[in-house]
Amino acid sequence: EAGVAQSPRYKIIEKRQSVAFWCNPISGHATLYWYQQILGQGPKLLIQFQNNGVVDDSQLPKDRFSAERLKGVDSTLKIQPAKLEDSAVYLCASSLGEGMRLQETQYFGPGTRLLVL
Amino acid sequence: DQQVKQNSPSLSVQEGRISILNCDYTNSMFDYFLWYKKYPAEGPTFLISISSIKDKNEDGRFTVFLNKSAKHLSLHIVPSQPGDSAVYFCAASARTGYYGQNFVFGPGTRLSVLP
Repeated sequence: EAGVAQSPRYKIIEKRQSVAFWCNPISGHATLYWYQQILGQGPKLLIQFQNNGVVDDSQLPKDRFSAERLKGVDSTLKIQPAKLEDSAVYLCASSLGEGMRLQETQYFGPGTRLLVL
Repeated sequence: DQQVKQNSPSLSVQEGRISILNCDYTNSMFDYFLWYKKYPAEGPTFLISISSIKDKNEDGRFTVFLNKSAKHLSLHIVPSQPGDSAVYFCAASARTGYYGQNFVFGPGTRLSVLP
């Protein structure tokens, strides 16, 4: 079974530029998550999708970050314009998304390492 | 406000001995706990989990213990192997609705297993 795919793996941009990341979850997984992981910290949830709908985007800086999952499969996360503090690893994860199932485990992709200069 | 804490940034253990990684949480609504292992330049890999209705879960060399009254969980690795050297993240989850599941991660503990 293929895992969560992400691209690109690395990206270097200058501040005020825009950047986009792509994620393809595990086949059949209805729930998709985007996380930001700053060096030395644990992953922080940015946004959660259930199929093509947003479940939680309370921690997404909406003035510069946007995300979509139009067909309920793959997803893109965009930053526009980027700031120096956006330098981090952006992780995508997916889970089955069966609703009230008690144990829902997330599976992560390799991440995209972003450096903003 | 750190809801999930891993107070030891690093831990060194001799090969063959037991590694014990600790995690504390503050939110009593968390009902599912997970441990992830992360190698450099890779995403976190799921290791083992435990539901709040249990106090222990084993999978091979890995055992997770949950003490709900103390809001504390620990991961035991026995015996430790050099390949276990990685950063270990503790995560806690609470339901936020029918589909919502709020995952909160600790800052991680770097385990070094010395040969």
